[in-house]
Amino acid sequence: QITLKESGPTLVEPTQTLTLTCTFSGFSLSNNEVSVGWIRQPPGKALEWLALFYWNDDKRYSPSLKSRLTITKDTSKNQVVLTMTDMDPVDTATYYCVHGPEYPEYYFDYWGQGALVTVSS
Amino acid sequence: SYVLTQPPSVSVAPGQTATIACGANNIERKNVHWYQQRPGQAPVLVIKYDSDRPSGIPERFSGSNSGNTATLTINRVEAGDEADYFCQVWESKSDHPVIFGGGTKLTVL
Repeated sequence: QITLKESGPTLVEPTQTLTLTCTFSGFSLSNNEVSVGWIRQPPGKALEWLALFYWNDDKRYSPSLKSRLTITKDTSKNQVVLTMTDMDPVDTATYYCVHGPEYPEYYFDYWGQGALVTVSS
Repeated sequence: SYVLTQPPSVSVAPGQTATIACGANNIERKNVHWYQQRPGQAPVLVIKYDSDRPSGIPERFSGSNSGNTATLTINRVEAGDEADYFCQVWESKSDHPVIFGGGTKLTVL
């Protein structure tokens, strides 16, 4: 059974860097075609894709946030880490870690429970 | 960039049929996926590749895609279907390949 769980701070001050960790089980990120990604949702708003980490170590980022985002993996720990620099109150959102099963056109069949991050001083 | 347009809200009485549209230019050429998000919960995939139901999703949920509109249909609507529904496509030629619609709030009257 595939599970994903996000962890990280619930409160971040403006200009700080956010680091979120996705710990997953039930699959390997070395499996062909698999991806792990991050999607966020501001309160009451739509879903916004942030980044993807592919099984072959390729990475893709939302162009509008690319300069602020870094996605990495720790294979030994079954984790994918997202860092976002220069946080702003508009970045307040629930951040979801997701599993994409089929390359090249991904949909997301498993989601983490989400991590609410508030940006405030 | 490719934009997916959904109506903000749809209302339906219990037992009736709900249809939720996702509009975009020539969307029929793309694979459309649908997610259900109940209040306070993470999204759940309910339809993939236009009309394919993942394991565990009731047969009451179906999808179609033609022309400029993809449609999620929920038959015999139940109170538990009240949720936000999002469509999603993969835009392969874009630097921003994962595209979501703005979401539709389904209210069960």
